[in-house]
Amino acid sequence: EAQVTQNPRYLITVTGKKLTVTCSQNMNHEYMSWYRQDPGLGLRQIYYSMNVEVTDKGDVPEGYKVSRKEKRNFPLILESPSPNQTSLYFCASSYRGKIRDEQYFGPGTRLTVT
Amino acid sequence: DQQVKQNSPSLSVQEGRISILNCDYTNSMFDYFLWYKKYPAEGPTFLISISSIKDKNEDGRFTVFLNKSAKHLSLHIVPSQPGDSAVYFCAASRGGSQGNLIFGKGTKLSVKP
Repeated sequence: EAQVTQNPRYLITVTGKKLTVTCSQNMNHEYMSWYRQDPGLGLRQIYYSMNVEVTDKGDVPEGYKVSRKEKRNFPLILESPSPNQTSLYFCASSYRGKIRDEQYFGPGTRLTVT
Repeated sequence: DQQVKQNSPSLSVQEGRISILNCDYTNSMFDYFLWYKKYPAEGPTFLISISSIKDKNEDGRFTVFLNKSAKHLSLHIVPSQPGDSAVYFCAASRGGSQGNLIFGKGTKLSVKP
């Protein structure tokens, strides 16, 4: 089954404790992206990657890091999480030629930073 | 500065009637627009898109209209069904930065039987 998976689905952590949210897709997509969804703010793009070893900032990259060492994986790293990073996070992927048509989203990771 | 605006947080429509969801944008460099639908506890799913060289795109019950001069697009759902009840996000991208998508805040559609 074609899908984007995220782990963990739920995470409660404390301020300053480094964490990684994994994202993996099995569709051989070149493009992957991370978003956060917050009440009243909609979806905001954090980082995206057009291909392996190619990443770029979205609209809200502060406090986040990403890496793209393999085509299928695009982990989101919070080196020192803070409470304002409490949010619902989505990973998405797409064929490079179809970025502007259809992105496949994962089920989301709900992160709480206390 | 919000570049993609969905000014109606919610919309309630009777089953069988038309639903019209609106979206305004401010950046004239946007040249491609998309609508995504999101159910609770799930990731968004792609619905329909339109290029700025067109003014209309239709897919079954869903039609998107683009008015470039007004920087406005709308999604029409006809006829509306209870299963259409979801949050709808408008998104935009600009040529030269196709990987960067700007989303609106979303409109929650409720279709009542």
